[in-house]
Amino acid sequence: DAKTTQPTSMDCAEGRAANLPCNHSTISGNEYVYWYRQIHSQGPQYIIHGLKNNETNEMASLIITEDRKSSTLILPHATLRDTAVYYCIVRVIYNNNDMRFGAGTRLTVKP
Amino acid sequence: DSGVTQTPKHLITATGQRVTLRCSPRSGDLSVYWYQQSLDQGLQFLIQYYNGEERAKGNILERFSAQQFPDLHSELNLSSLELGDSALYFCASSATSGTYSGELFFGEGSRLTVL
Repeated sequence: DAKTTQPTSMDCAEGRAANLPCNHSTISGNEYVYWYRQIHSQGPQYIIHGLKNNETNEMASLIITEDRKSSTLILPHATLRDTAVYYCIVRVIYNNNDMRFGAGTRLTVKP
Repeated sequence: DSGVTQTPKHLITATGQRVTLRCSPRSGDLSVYWYQQSLDQGLQFLIQYYNGEERAKGNILERFSAQQFPDLHSELNLSSLELGDSALYFCASSATSGTYSGELFFGEGSRLTVL
């Protein structure tokens, strides 16, 4: 059973912010929200993760709603190189359990 | 460079054959994960090992097997290959202690083509 729901595809203009939504209405209290991206056929790349507070790093910002049932990944100034498939995953952080990817959102950044 | 090394990068073989894909995790990472990605498909989790022991199993066929060795490298064995096994196979590793964040580090993948 899929734990997350993401739009199949999105477009974004170069230089604009890309806002990628993710629904995870059945998230448990000990599950984190992770975001990865996969550029073409390269290995997936970690972007960011969070539990309940908003997080920001050099790549992106993660906004998690107060009820934790949804989140948004924000790429503040999208470039053509940000064109990729973005995966939202919920996962318990400890015990080294597995990580399962859904279909993700194919983001296309257009000039 | 993620620090995860996969070999070979490309492999072409025939139906019915057997191949072995190798993965060297980042130094010190105890967990190794294997994923399959067929053309234009998502990442399918196959199997996870933690310090030599199988930790989780996903959609791995009975014709496939894996193991993790004492030096922590892992091998994925694919036998009785079929055309549908043509795919990218990714290995990932993760840290287990200290500033562990649950982040997986992926290799560049092994592209298998079955003719």
